[in-house]
Amino acid sequence: DAKTTQPNSMESNEEEPVHLPCNHSTISGTDYIHWYRQLPSQGPEYVIHGLTSNVNNRMASLAIAEDRKSSTLILHRATLRDAAVYYCILRDVWGGSNYKLTFGKGTLLTVNP
Amino acid sequence: DAGITQSPRHKVTETGTPVTLRCHQTENHRYMYWYRQDPGHGLRLIHYSYGVKDTDKGEVSDGYSVSRSKTEDFLLTLESATSSQTSVYFCAVLKQGDYGYTFGSGTRLTVV
Repeated sequence: DAKTTQPNSMESNEEEPVHLPCNHSTISGTDYIHWYRQLPSQGPEYVIHGLTSNVNNRMASLAIAEDRKSSTLILHRATLRDAAVYYCILRDVWGGSNYKLTFGKGTLLTVNP
Repeated sequence: DAGITQSPRHKVTETGTPVTLRCHQTENHRYMYWYRQDPGHGLRLIHYSYGVKDTDKGEVSDGYSVSRSKTEDFLLTLESATSSQTSVYFCAVLKQGDYGYTFGSGTRLTVV
């Protein structure tokens, strides 16, 4: 699986937008960009994914660079419940390697009241 | 989520004893996974299954075995537990169609 690079940690204030960056310069044309987050003492949970176009759902937005070598997860109004480790993961759209996910270290997001 | 139940939630066991962790799902998903999570290492794949009786190794499979005799159950066995296997173990399933994975709540295993 192609590798991703994320900052180790970021801080935000409550009710402000948060932009979590991810670099994936070796991304292939068939790699989906997935984001998961892990709240304290819980298993990871799916946030969003995309291939080429920007994506929105009820949890977040995903902005993908035109060359696809980077992406940004956007939380529009951070809440204290958004404090978590956020993982950016690439996965082959054809399910290469039997759909396995490879997790990196992620970004620890701290939200200040 | 996805009806995933991990059992037990917590376990303390002695070095050298066998331990089996269970992952149970109620939605008939084909793909199931076992990960372990340790400080400084993040989540690492132990074994996965792509169907009944179909399993394969992940990146940290040494010391672990798995079995899947029914679609709904994926068992992880530590044949002879060691202190290095103290960890939090997560089971996951792949929800077909939307490429999303759903994780269980985890099992915290301590080997003393």
